[in-house]
This record gives sequence, C-alpha cells and structure tokens, in this order.
Amino acid sequence: GNSVTQMEGPVTLSEEAFLTINCTYTATGYPSLFWYVQYPGEGLQLLLKATKADDKGSNKGFEATYRKETTSFHLEKGSVQVSDSAVYFCALTVDEKLTFGTGTRLTIIP
Amino acid sequence: KAGVTQTPRYLIKTRGQQVTLSCSPISGHRSVSWYQQTPGQGLQFLFEYFSETQRNKGNFPGRFSGRQFSNSRSEMNVSTLELGDSALYLCASSLAGRGPISSYNEQFFGPGTRLTVL
Repeated sequence: GNSVTQMEGPVTLSEEAFLTINCTYTATGYPSLFWYVQYPGEGLQLLLKATKADDKGSNKGFEATYRKETTSFHLEKGSVQVSDSAVYFCALTVDEKLTFGTGTRLTIIP
Repeated sequence: KAGVTQTPRYLIKTRGQQVTLSCSPISGHRSVSWYQQTPGQGLQFLFEYFSETQRNKGNFPGRFSGRQFSNSRSEMNVSTLELGDSALYLCASSLAGRGPISSYNEQFFGPGTRLTVL
C-alpha cells in the first residue's frame, strides 16, 4: 500500500532560520506529492505540489523537489517567519485518495 | 468564489447516538472526499463521492456512511457513536478526478467539523 513517513516534531526554530522537514514515501504506481499546511482552527491548505520526478514545487518561499531515486519530498525554506508557525503535512496520491504523513508542528519564535 | 463549507463546525454527542455532517463543495466541483483527523491516527481517508456515487472508500467500519446529492453537496453519517469517533472531520472538493493530478482535480479543504463523543 501507500504510505508517507514524515519527520517527527515538534520543531522549534528562531525567526530567519533555515527549515527542513523530511518526508519519504512508499507508493504503488507513480504518485503525485504534496505539502499541506494547517493553521490553528482551520482546515488544510495546499502549500505546494509536484507531479513528476525532479519537479520542484514552490510557494511562499517554501520549496520541495520530487526525488524518485530516494522516494523523498523534503520541505525547505531559507528564512522562516513567525507566521509560518503551523502543522505541515506531507501527502501523496495515486488516485483521488490522499495519503498523509503524521504531520510536523512547526513553531517559530521571534 | 466561496470555499468549501462544513456544518456544523462543532458537535457534541453521546455514545450510541448517530450524527450527520454536511459539506458544501466549491461551486462547480463534482467530487467530494471525507477525511478523519485524530491525534492518534492522523489524517485518514473515509470515502469519496463523484456524481452521487461512492467512487473510493477507506478502511472504516460500516457505521460510517455518506451520500452525495445532485447539487454535489455531501453528507456523512456516523451511527452508534463510539468515544473513538471523536475527531475533526474534513471535507475536500475538486472539479473531478482520475488521471494525472492537475488543477482539474486538486482538492480544496473545508474548515472541518469537530465532533466530540462523550
């Protein structure tokens, strides 16, 4: 079956620090990969996506590259802000069903 | 364009009761998916409806059911509630589905319904 293994949290960083959240996956077929973000009291928002190997998804300063050879989709940001504090989910889909990682809670301190 | 709306936002029930949650997709979206989010199990797929038909199903007991109406609005029902059913239930809609992921089938999530079972 399909599964996503995500870096355990919580992660606490100072403002302007570099962020990496690791994500690896196992999938039957050729998945599309996503990062979703969930702010307190809200639903999930799509942060970025990649649909084929070597694609780089990017949004709001966040980036992730689809690495088929290492089955990974690590999330990175060069300089985090307090407003980036949220829970981040790595996910994949082979059909319409999204399979999520466990989520990583990120807290940025000023 | 209005986003995905879910009602009610909060719900408190007791064991053994049943509950119905509602989801209104983005206008024009025909696919609606439901997910359960709990601290222990994370986000898990419940089912997906497209054109009033269940097209995909997760690994949940038969107490969890759903349906979709002709206007694409969807409801999910949980019968004989258990304490472990306490969760945030998220609904997501997309234009359609099947085939390579594109803007055509990207899923947009609602804010969720938080169900507490006492």
